[in-house]
Amino acid sequence: DQQVKQNSPSLSVQEGRISILNCDYTNSMFDYFLWYKKYPAEGPTFLISISSIKDKNEDGRFTVFLNKSAKHLSLHIVPSQPGDSAVYFCAASGNQGGKLIFGQGTELSVKP
Amino acid sequence: GAGVSQSPSNKVTEKGKDVELRCDPISGHTALYWYRQRLGQGLEFLIYFQGNSAPDKSGLPSDRFSAERTGESVSTLTIQRTQQEDSAVYLCASSLVGTGRGRGQYFGPGTRLTVL
Repeated sequence: DQQVKQNSPSLSVQEGRISILNCDYTNSMFDYFLWYKKYPAEGPTFLISISSIKDKNEDGRFTVFLNKSAKHLSLHIVPSQPGDSAVYFCAASGNQGGKLIFGQGTELSVKP
Repeated sequence: GAGVSQSPSNKVTEKGKDVELRCDPISGHTALYWYRQRLGQGLEFLIYFQGNSAPDKSGLPSDRFSAERTGESVSTLTIQRTQQEDSAVYLCASSLVGTGRGRGQYFGPGTRLTVL
């Protein structure tokens, strides 16, 4: 039972354009959503999060949008840079002590 | 400030052997988590320690898996009688109380376990 899904295993974007990474979830008890970025042979690093009481959170080039009725969130990166090339994981948390439920990841490739 | 460290970075073992993986969290972080990532998949929660509370073991896949934590420091994940399906990258993360959700967890580089 995959509670958090990232249906696109990969995404390729031109440098300077927008990258949009999508994530869907099934559990309505989730109340925090996070995006992590992972480079090969390294652990994931926290990127941005959003509480379920908000529909948008912005941090520099990164914006996360949450649509609770659709149980969908997305990460926008504008403008995309080659250094953004990595695997991006969506994660969700409920009232369960902070453990995170992760999606399968989307590999982003930003081409110069 | 050192981050989360894990050892060994790589471990190759034979089927049926026991392995022990170590995690050193960030100093002062009271919450510690273990996850694993199988090839081509997302991270799968295994176990969560928070202070003196009983650990949340709901993600451990079988009774061959166990974990301990010494106070608010080092944790070890032990896998007994390893099987080939245990091959994965085992990741440890830590966080301060109350911030693990909103501000995220800090991950170590992982231990790549290969069971032959």
